[in-house]
Amino acid sequence: GENVEQHPSTLSVQEGDSAVIKCTYSDSASNYFPWYKQELGKRPQLIIDIRSNVGEKKDQRIAVTLNKTAKHFSLHITETQPEDSAVYFCAANGYNNNDMRFGAGTRLTVKP
Amino acid sequence: SQTIHQWPATLVQPVGSPLSLECTVEGTSNPNLYWYRQAAGRGLQLLFYSVGIGQISSEVPQNLSASRPQDRQFILSSKKLLLSDSGFYLCAWTPAGNEQFFGPGTRLTVL
Repeated sequence: GENVEQHPSTLSVQEGDSAVIKCTYSDSASNYFPWYKQELGKRPQLIIDIRSNVGEKKDQRIAVTLNKTAKHFSLHITETQPEDSAVYFCAANGYNNNDMRFGAGTRLTVKP
Repeated sequence: SQTIHQWPATLVQPVGSPLSLECTVEGTSNPNLYWYRQAAGRGLQLLFYSVGIGQISSEVPQNLSASRPQDRQFILSSKKLLLSDSGFYLCAWTPAGNEQFFGPGTRLTVL
């Protein structure tokens, strides 16, 4: 089945700096890659996603890139703000398109 | 619009007691449904998913079970809880191959 690895597990940046989180996946048939943000004690919320027919997608300060050949995708947050502090999860859909595999998460801390 | 409910929101149970967590979805039909567990400070572990009534796929061997008695109802159960069952249990639904929408979660503490 699909296996998703995420790095780093923790990331600390100064306000205004950029943050990058990277994930790799194992199943070449995966075609949907979402990123979720989870604030303390709350449910994960989708922030951006990308499908395998595109290489990059951007939404204001957030962007995601996908390299299908290397089977990795990354989340980029620019001009970070303290409210960006949270745990971020990447995910990839499984071989039968019915299940979603999540990375272990990255705890991002943005220092004011 | 679609809404997903989970209850209870929090639960404290003794070791060896049974468990029943319920998840329901409104505003959609024939959704894919999922149960995840999140241990404190950890990632999301997929426990079960269901593509239809009575259809359950189990991801990890454990003392938990799941059932889908109705199209928009997904139940997570255990006959005897272990300490290691403590965690944040999240139900989610999706149209196949698309964004998963998570419920508010149930925080379970096993003492």
